[in-house]
Amino acid sequence: NAGVTQTPKFRILKIGQSMTLQCTQDMNHNYMYWYRQDPGMGLKLIYYSVGAGITDKGEVPNGYNVSRSTTEDFPLRLELAAPSQTSVYFCASSGLAVYEQYFGPGTRLTVT
Amino acid sequence: AQKVTQAQTEISVVEKEDVTLDCVYETRDTTYYLFWYKQPPSGELVFLIRRNSFDEQNEISGRYSWNFQKSTSSFNFTITASQVVDSAVYFCALSAAMDTGRRALTFGSGTRLQVQP
Repeated sequence: NAGVTQTPKFRILKIGQSMTLQCTQDMNHNYMYWYRQDPGMGLKLIYYSVGAGITDKGEVPNGYNVSRSTTEDFPLRLELAAPSQTSVYFCASSGLAVYEQYFGPGTRLTVT
Repeated sequence: AQKVTQAQTEISVVEKEDVTLDCVYETRDTTYYLFWYKQPPSGELVFLIRRNSFDEQNEISGRYSWNFQKSTSSFNFTITASQVVDSAVYFCALSAAMDTGRRALTFGSGTRLQVQP
């Protein structure tokens, strides 16, 4: 049981490039989330999903897109990378009867 | 709107000292959940505890204990006889109750705990 996995672990992007951060969970959780953590700060919600085919914006969605075609996968897309998107990105999941969220190891993204 | 405040940015203690991390929250929900997470230097987030708003009983797990006081909107975390391995950033978080459909966490800014040998 791997839990929540994220790829890549690290990435450097140039301004204007695009990329997809991958997230997969094997716990059959309905809920999935993307957060970003800026240095010295707590996590802020980017997007979330309550099930396959259903996604919604969180607190800081601008510059990002998501899709949820399966229960397991919840990729995060950055279309035109900007320096303000330099951050650590965490994916998380939780089940219907389990309110705590389980987090992936994070992706450290630098945009220069 | 929900808000979580962790006023202590950084705490430094010597091993075997007791330490309390403060958490104060704001919410308009009558039913909610409170959490503590640990983020060690390796960077992952580790779930420590969840507390329901209707259950004010304090909890102890080994050297860890949590004090939930609804009257003061606080959910404080105490580590007894701290150890070097307790060095980490600790986050307090708040979530609306299950029937809102979202359940996303609102995090505090974290408290960095350094335990010196």
